[in-house]
Amino acid sequence: GENVEQHPSTLSVQEGDSAVIKCTYSDSASNYFPWYKQELGKRPQLIIDIRSNVGEKKDQRIAVTLNKTAKHFSLHITETQPEDSAVYFCAASRSNDYKLSFGAGTTVTVRA
Amino acid sequence: DVKVTQSSRYLVKRTGEKVFLECVQDMDHENMFWYRQDPGLGLRLIYFSYDVKMKEKGDIPEGYSVSREKKERFSLILESASTNQTSMYLCASSIPGIMNTEAFFGQGTRLTVV
Repeated sequence: GENVEQHPSTLSVQEGDSAVIKCTYSDSASNYFPWYKQELGKRPQLIIDIRSNVGEKKDQRIAVTLNKTAKHFSLHITETQPEDSAVYFCAASRSNDYKLSFGAGTTVTVRA
Repeated sequence: DVKVTQSSRYLVKRTGEKVFLECVQDMDHENMFWYRQDPGLGLRLIYFSYDVKMKEKGDIPEGYSVSREKKERFSLILESASTNQTSMYLCASSIPGIMNTEAFFGQGTRLTVV
């Protein structure tokens, strides 16, 4: 099955700096890569996703890049704010296989 | 707004008890999932269902079973609870299709087995 590795496990950044989280996947047939954010005590929520026919996607301060050849994808958060503090999970899946394989998560702390 | 509701936020059960975790979604989603969340391990899939009365094992099904008698409800059953099943359990639902879509999560049930 799919194996998703996520790094780093914790990340502390100064407010206003950028944060980058990286994930690798093992199954070359995976073609859907979502990112979920889980604030303390709350449910995970989708913040951005990318499909394998696209190399990069942006939504305001967050962006995701995908390198299919190397089988890795990354989340970039620019101009970090205190409300960006949360656990972030990457995931991967194939078309018509609704199961998501998640990474272990990255705890991001934004220091004021 | 999609709503996925888990019946309990916190549960404390004794070793050997049969435990039922209930999940209901109100958006007519065909796909429903049960994940277990543990620190450092992320979210691991226990079981999922893509239709009423249909179920498939995920990555860690041992010690668990599921029931889906109605489209909106997906139950996770711990046949004989053990201390290593102490964890956060998350239910999710999604729409099926050629292209994968967003999974909507419930608020989670923190289960402690003593």
